[in-house]
Parts: sequence; structure tokens; C-alpha cells
Amino acid sequence: KNEVEQSPQNLTAQEGEFITINCSYSVGISALHWLQQHPGGGIVSLFMLSSGKKKHGRLIATINIQEKHSSLHITASHPRDSAVYICAVTSGGGADGLTFGKGTHLIIQP
Amino acid sequence: NAGVTQTPKFQVLKTGQSMTLQCAQDMNHNSMYWYRQDPGMGLRLIYYSASEGTTDKGEVPNGYNVSRLNKREFSLRLESAAPSQTSVYFCASSMRDNDNYGYTFGSGTRLTVV
Repeated sequence: KNEVEQSPQNLTAQEGEFITINCSYSVGISALHWLQQHPGGGIVSLFMLSSGKKKHGRLIATINIQEKHSSLHITASHPRDSAVYICAVTSGGGADGLTFGKGTHLIIQP
Repeated sequence: NAGVTQTPKFQVLKTGQSMTLQCAQDMNHNSMYWYRQDPGMGLRLIYYSASEGTTDKGEVPNGYNVSRLNKREFSLRLESAAPSQTSVYFCASSMRDNDNYGYTFGSGTRLTVV
């Protein structure tokens, strides 16, 4: 079973700061997902990546397959970025779903 | 485009009562999933269905049953609710059992068992 660890668990920053959230996993994967969950809200898929880097607006996700590590970066952070960010992985070989990290609770203060 | 629709959004049950959580997707996805989310823990897989007519147990299946009614619908049933089943439940779907496709989640069902 893949173990997915995220750091930090909680992060408070000021508006405009550059944010980095880290994710590591224990077993080889076929894809890694970054998800966003607002308080009391549903879960939205931000990125799915199996190599390299992806960018969407102010969000950037990178993955290093050899090191079993991924990072999610937020540039020019804004209070509306406040949410829980969840890393999840799929190990391939079938539709057996995602294995999730426990999430990083991000608060951006104005 | 509705995506993944879950009903109900909120439910309070008494211990021993039964209920069914409904999930439907309109994206023609093959695979569907039920997860539960508890404080301090990551989401955990209850059951999944790789395709119409098939279901399989996930990490925490005890106390639950599922039905893949057709390609669109995947329901989760609690036959005799217990306080330990108090949780937020999410349904999700993906295109197929190919990991190159992303996942779409429903908005969740907040269930309290008293």
C-alpha cells in the first residue's frame, strides 16, 4: 500500500507570498493528483501529472519520479487560495482508486 | 454540465437505521468510487466499480454495500448505521481504469449517526 505524506500540515502566510506544499510517496506510481477542497466544500482536481511540470494560472505542480516527490507552488498568493490542498496517487494496474495524503490546510491572510 | 451529483447533501440517522446515498455522473465515465473523509485522516476508499456490472471492496468496506445500477449511477447503502459511520462521503468518477485520466468528485454527503 502506498503511503502518501504531505508537509506542512498547516500553513499560514501573508497575501502575495510564494507558497510551497510538498508530497512524498513510498511506492512507484502511474500518476499523482493535486486536489483542492474549500471549507465545507467539494473536492476539485487541480492537476494530474506523471512527469515533469504543469502550470495553470498561478499554480505550478512538479514531480520527481526518481525521488518519489511532488510539490505544489502558488505564486502571488491570495486569500481566495485558502483551502485544504490534497495530494493523491494512483498506482496503476486497475481502477482501484486514489490513495490520499491527509492534506495541507492553507490560510492566506490579507 | 452537472458532472457528479450526490444526494442527499446532509442526513442524520439514528443508530440501526438504513439509508442509501445516491450518486450519478453524466460524463460517460467507466469507473466510479465511494470515499469517506474523517477529521485527521485522508480520504479512504470504501468501494469502487471499474465498469458497469462490477464492484470491488476498497480499504474500508465493512458496514456498506454498493450497487452499480447502470453506467451513470453508483449507490452506497448503509444497512444498519453505526456512530462510527459518521463522516463526509464523496462519490467520484474517472474515465476508465486508465490512470491517465483525471477524477471528478461530487459535492459530498455529510452524514451524522446518533
